[in-house]
Amino acid sequence: EADIYQTPRYLVIGTGKKITLECSQTMGHDKMYWYQQDPGMELHLIHYSYGVNSTEKGDLSSESTVSRIRTEHFPLTLESARPSHTSQYLCASSRGTDTQYFGPGTRLTVL
Amino acid sequence: RKEVEQDPGPFNVPEGATVAFNCTYSNSASQSFFWYRQDCRKEPKLLMSVYSSGNEDGRFTAQLNRASQYISLLIRDSKLSDSATYLCVVNRVDSSYKLIFGSGTRLLVRP
Repeated sequence: EADIYQTPRYLVIGTGKKITLECSQTMGHDKMYWYQQDPGMELHLIHYSYGVNSTEKGDLSSESTVSRIRTEHFPLTLESARPSHTSQYLCASSRGTDTQYFGPGTRLTVL
Repeated sequence: RKEVEQDPGPFNVPEGATVAFNCTYSNSASQSFFWYRQDCRKEPKLLMSVYSSGNEDGRFTAQLNRASQYISLLIRDSKLSDSATYLCVVNRVDSSYKLIFGSGTRLLVRP
């Protein structure tokens, strides 16, 4: 089993609220990723990080932001949530070009 | 054209059947190939890496054909628990460590 954790697992929140989705891994992986996935649809990379203080935008434009202050921690923040942000957010990590391991995901619903 | 293409299915097969999925990728310089499995509303999990010589893990066999740029997954003696979406994954051929996920092939195994 991969040692990668996400909290909360489920979040229902009102429009305009600021939210932070947490992701932590204990495998010492240098690379971390955030994906967005709607039900029955494909994964879309929204952010990635090569290491501490390194963050890049992914393929899908997102209004969220990320930070990587510690190797094991890669939180994602939405300053002002909107219904269009309703989706599942999956965090993953890898060592170099090795396999990516996924966390259980956060299912976000914005009312 | 998508970088990784898969037949979305669904493949509906009886228990005990043998089923095969194919996946094509567009960049001939790709070096890393994987099959992931994703259950409904869960995170993707690595099923197996795909090596040039082909590899087998129990009832699962993966093959790589570099000349034709396709990857296959064969499942023998299908179980009900094999019902899931199977994602074909290829590394991105640039300086990043990103993976490209196919949109998945859905398998339904019926009693």
